[in-house]
Amino acid sequence: SQKIEQNSEALNIQEGKTATLTCNYTNYSPAYLQWYRQDPGRGPVFLLLIRENEKEKRKERLKVTFDTTLKQSLFHITASQHSDSATYLCAARQGYQKVTFGTGTKLQVIP
Amino acid sequence: KAGVTQTPRYLIKTRGQQVTLSCSPISGHRSVSWYQQTPGQGLQFLFEYFSETQRNKGNFPGRFSGRQFSNSRSEMNVSTLELGDSALYLCASSFLKSDRGWTGELFFGEGSRLTVL
Repeated sequence: SQKIEQNSEALNIQEGKTATLTCNYTNYSPAYLQWYRQDPGRGPVFLLLIRENEKEKRKERLKVTFDTTLKQSLFHITASQHSDSATYLCAARQGYQKVTFGTGTKLQVIP
Repeated sequence: KAGVTQTPRYLIKTRGQQVTLSCSPISGHRSVSWYQQTPGQGLQFLFEYFSETQRNKGNFPGRFSGRQFSNSRSEMNVSTLELGDSALYLCASSFLKSDRGWTGELFFGEGSRLTVL
């Protein structure tokens, strides 16, 4: 079955460092990968989308890559801040199929 | 522009009861999808509607049902509630540029927190 896996349940990082989150997919060829941020008790908020024919996308301190050979997307937050602490979710969809979310990585940025 | 609105935000039910949750999408969005979120399982897809038609359905029992109205508002219903149905139910709307598939991000509401006692 199609699976989206985010390797780390939790990631602690020091303020100012780059946080790197991983999303792997199996039995799947998604046309798009998306990354969302979710704060406790709130709905997820869209951050970035990357298409299968794109290698890299950037938005301010955020960068996402998409490697269709490795079946992997990496999500980077550079110069991390305490306010970046949240759960980050990756999501994928192929054609008409349902959107599948990973279980998320809880990022804690330590001052 | 108003965001996605979900009502009620919190509710408590007992086993065997039924519940109806409502979702008003962003104006102009014709696609609405529902998700169940629990600590152990993450975001699980329930169903997706586009122009009043169910496009996709997740692996949930028939006790979970939904519908979409002509104004794109959507409701989901859970009958014969079980303890395991306690979760945050999230609705998301999307502006599909064509009927060929998903080309935009999902806009989520704040969710309806259901507790089943």
